[in-house]
Amino acid sequence: DAGVTQSPTHLIKTRGQQVTLRCSPISGHKSVSWYQQVLGQGPQFIFQYYEKEERGRGNFPDRFSARQFPNYSSELNVNALLLGDSALYLCASSLGVGSGLGYTFGSGTRLTVV
Amino acid sequence: GQQLNQSPQSMFIQEGEDVSMNCTSSSIFNTWLWYKQDPGEGPVLLIALYKAGELTSNGRLTAQFGITRKDSFLNISASIPSDVGIYFCAGSNNAGNMLTFGGGTRLMVKP
Repeated sequence: DAGVTQSPTHLIKTRGQQVTLRCSPISGHKSVSWYQQVLGQGPQFIFQYYEKEERGRGNFPDRFSARQFPNYSSELNVNALLLGDSALYLCASSLGVGSGLGYTFGSGTRLTVV
Repeated sequence: GQQLNQSPQSMFIQEGEDVSMNCTSSSIFNTWLWYKQDPGEGPVLLIALYKAGELTSNGRLTAQFGITRKDSFLNISASIPSDVGIYFCAGSNNAGNMLTFGGGTRLMVKP
């Protein structure tokens, strides 16, 4: 069975540009969460979506947005990129909104902003 | 910013030694989780703890959920080279819709 798949694996963008990252959850999982992991730090929560609705939002500016599609895949969009947005962006899927059990992470998208 | 303080930040040990790392928080969490992250990969769940005082083992790994619900520790016994990686603690809130991660403990094992 396929795990959580993220695309692209690596990306280089210029300051001010916009980027879209994609995530496909494990089959049967209806919830997708996004995390940002800056080099040398732990992941930080950005969004959680369940059944196409936003269920949680972390402390990130409005430049960050996301959505979930009917097939439960998800996109994370970041506008007006800053150098500080350079990070590993992780997607995690789970059956639902729960106590942390069953959050399976993908390998991430490495975004570099130059 | 992050609310979980994880220590130590790094450890360099001899193969066969036992390892201990811990995590403290200013907030109460209902669930504590321990993850391991290898280079180029996402975090992989090692142990999940759901009750204050709970002690759970997974092979050579043992973790405990502190009674105050503000701390947790992870022990690794008889370390081996494949234990190398970064270990993260994470706490889950009441809604269970987000994880708060610690800063990580980088473990290096000398054969």
